[in-house]
Amino acid sequence: NAGVTQTPKFRILKIGQSMTLQCTQDMNHNYMYWYRQDPGMGLKLIYYSVGAGITDKGEVPNGYNVSRSTTEDFPLRLELAAPSQTSVYFCASADGGQGLGNIQYFGAGTRLSVL
Amino acid sequence: KQEVTQIPAALSVPEGENLVLNCSFTDSAIYNLQWFRQDPGKGLTSLLLIQSSQREQTSGRLNASLDKSSGRSTLYIAASQPGDSATYLCAAQGGSEKLVFGKGTKLTVNP
Repeated sequence: NAGVTQTPKFRILKIGQSMTLQCTQDMNHNYMYWYRQDPGMGLKLIYYSVGAGITDKGEVPNGYNVSRSTTEDFPLRLELAAPSQTSVYFCASADGGQGLGNIQYFGAGTRLSVL
Repeated sequence: KQEVTQIPAALSVPEGENLVLNCSFTDSAIYNLQWFRQDPGKGLTSLLLIQSSQREQTSGRLNASLDKSSGRSTLYIAASQPGDSATYLCAAQGGSEKLVFGKGTKLTVNP
């Protein structure tokens, strides 16, 4: 029962470096999401996907890229890290459809600092 | 644009007290309203989902209500315990499968 797994848990980047945050789910969910959470704030949607090969921008997509080549994986790429990207990143998945299929299941998060 | 507000931002109560957390949203055209719990340094855990056609949902000591016309939801916690201490977030889901989150209410239950 792994659910949603995010790696790494912690990372420190230098300005201008790039990295990929990994997210994988084993629930065969169609929908996957990336959020960022800044201190004292709610979660803001970065990108989401409704199925393999389909991605779309959320509220704060600038500076990030995603891909969805399989149902299980939804990596988030930072190309040129900036201090403003210091945050906690959460990946989530949902079955989709009606009713309880809309419940989102979250990973434990990746804590990223850009210095 | 949907905006979700949670009041209060923080709440401290003695153990055993019944309490209410408030959530308001600006666009009543929602599919559902969801409540989550977040423990320090952890991810979010879903507590309750209320579909737009429902008025309330219950799980154990938790009861969530939804009034779409007034743009409000409440989370009622009965007989609070120290283990209930966490941040509680509400989120409104619209037609694009996207959740819009409030900033959360940080609850502390004192023994």
